[in-house]
Order: sequence, then structure tokens, then C-alpha cells
Amino acid sequence: DTEVTQTPKHLVMGMTNKKSLKCEQHMGHRAMYWYKQKAKKPPELMFVYSYEKLSINESVPSRFSPECPNSSLLNLHLHALQPEDSALYLCASSQVADGNEQYFGPGTRLTVT
Amino acid sequence: ILNVEQSPQSLHVQEGDSTNFTCSFPSSNFYALHWYRWETAKSPEALFVMTLNGDEKKKGRISATLNTKEGYSYLYIKGSQPEDSATYLCALHAGGTSYGKLTFGQGTILTVHP
Repeated sequence: DTEVTQTPKHLVMGMTNKKSLKCEQHMGHRAMYWYKQKAKKPPELMFVYSYEKLSINESVPSRFSPECPNSSLLNLHLHALQPEDSALYLCASSQVADGNEQYFGPGTRLTVT
Repeated sequence: ILNVEQSPQSLHVQEGDSTNFTCSFPSSNFYALHWYRWETAKSPEALFVMTLNGDEKKKGRISATLNTKEGYSYLYIKGSQPEDSATYLCALHAGGTSYGKLTFGQGTILTVHP
């Protein structure tokens, strides 16, 4: 199974809502990533988890809170988002966090109203 | 901030044409260079991970070369087919304490017309 799954596919939330994005992989990968992709721009790294520990936070605002409850799961908790946070959020995984190819999920399309 | 650039931004070719695009990156920050293909409404899919200067990799009709000394990689598609239509992204892994961080180029959007 070389699939990374993400739920939900689409999410519309208000600025006062709290929601979570979920990502799952069953490839035994020990590195997982969150990327944000705005229209016509490349994916931008937000967070890296390596062996369930946060190893990179690319100065992401605290209204985005990542969580890695186990080696297969990665969550992104969202609270008090702004309309400019509307984007495609991609999850990826790799064997380890050392430059190996990354396997991407299909993304969650988030709209903040 | 690493600057990874791709050209052209978009490309329209006819079925059967061969095509190529370029990815350039700072040669002083090189550990690995990735190529991904991203079809609309699908997940980005890894094509190649290249690490050695002079490396050449091939997957079917798609191949890539790498020059780490001058900081560029070429992706070639031979005999383009409509199903090759996608955005092709390159990404640099700078090594060191990057912990898997990829810096992506803007992508080349390829459209293959039947």
C-alpha cells in the first residue's frame, strides 16, 4: 500500500471554528510532512515530523497546530483561521527525513469564510 | 531562502513531440534533487530522486539529467502523449539539518494536444 490518505477532501470553515485535517499512511514511513499550496504557487513546507517528533516548524502561525499521535497518523488542528489561509493542504510521508522521495496525499481544499 | 527556478512556466506540444524543461538551483546547497509529476485532482507523484553529479535516470519515456556543479537538471519526455499533461515540479533538498525539507520550483505546466 503506497497510498497517503487525507480527510476531508474539502472543508469550509468560519474564522471562529475549530477543525482538524487528518493524514494517514501505512507504509511504515517515519517522516511526515504538511505543505500548504496556494493557487499558481508551489507547495510550501509547514511542518516536518521525524519519528513522531516535530523537527521543522517553518514559522507557521500558532493557529495551525500539528499533532503526530503515532507513526501512521498526522493531524493538523485549525483554530481562528483567516481567509488568507484558504489553500490546498497537502500531507506527505517518506521513509525517513533525509531527502528520500516523498509520497503525497491528494490534499484537503480548505476555504475560510 | 533557496531559489529553485523552473522554465518554461508552461508548454503546449502536439502528441508525439519530444520536450524538455529545466530546473535550476543553487549548487552550493545541494543534497538531492526531486522531480514530481502532478496531474489535476491527483496527488503529486515522485518521478526521480537524483543525488550524483552526471546522474541520468529513466522511467519509460521520461528521463532526467543532473549537473550539480552548475546547478541544473533537465527533464525530457520523448514522444509526448496526452496523458503526460500535468505540472512537473522539481524540488531541492539541501541536506544538513534540512530534515527532509523540500524547496519546490514553480513548476512547468505541460499540455499535450492530441
